[in-house]
Amino acid sequence: DAMVIQNPRYQVTQFGKPVTLSCSQTLNHNVMYWYQQKSSQAPKLLFHYYDKDFNNEADTPDNFQSRRPNTSFCFLDIRSPGLGDAAMYLCATSRDWGATDTQYFGPGTRLTVL
Amino acid sequence: GENVEQHPSTLSVQEGDSAVIKCTYSDSASNYFPWYKQELGKRPQLIIDIRSNVGEKKDQRIAVTLNKTAKHFSLHITETQPEDSAVYFCAAKLTGGGNKLTFGTGTQLKVEL
Repeated sequence: DAMVIQNPRYQVTQFGKPVTLSCSQTLNHNVMYWYQQKSSQAPKLLFHYYDKDFNNEADTPDNFQSRRPNTSFCFLDIRSPGLGDAAMYLCATSRDWGATDTQYFGPGTRLTVL
Repeated sequence: GENVEQHPSTLSVQEGDSAVIKCTYSDSASNYFPWYKQELGKRPQLIIDIRSNVGEKKDQRIAVTLNKTAKHFSLHITETQPEDSAVYFCAAKLTGGGNKLTFGTGTQLKVEL
């Protein structure tokens, strides 16, 4: 059964055209994360939510925003996508914020910017 | 902050041989070390993890060892199979650093027939 679901799996957008990626989870986990992963690189954390508390990584561009309207859903908004934003976007969840809480990843959304 | 180095970046083995991937971390306060396997175009999947109060953990053909003094940990895969071919990422988490993972740079493992 799918636990962390991402839609769409593939997204094509035009340079500068806003795009929203979505993530939902059936685990009832408190924490949700968004990662950006470029080809042959490790996932890079963009931000995370602990419940409704939003935490931005210091080097996350302002072009990236996020919303978490409820426990189950989290959205990644890219306001003006550039060519350099083409990547796989991974959503992850963890039960809590404890140092040993496992992170579970969704299947990812592959974003193409034309 | 934490820094994790991972070696080698690519590893090619014959089916049935063992594979070893090594990671070092910089912050002695790190206390949790997961390993993720990522097949092409798919999500990273946790395959094994180890906590700092344990020196070794094994799950069937996969084992992880941790040397806290030297600040390094390793993934061992025995009797490799073609389906083991993937990118493997190590990661580390700091005590008091919440649930923020610092990933290694990844190892592309290829198991050849």
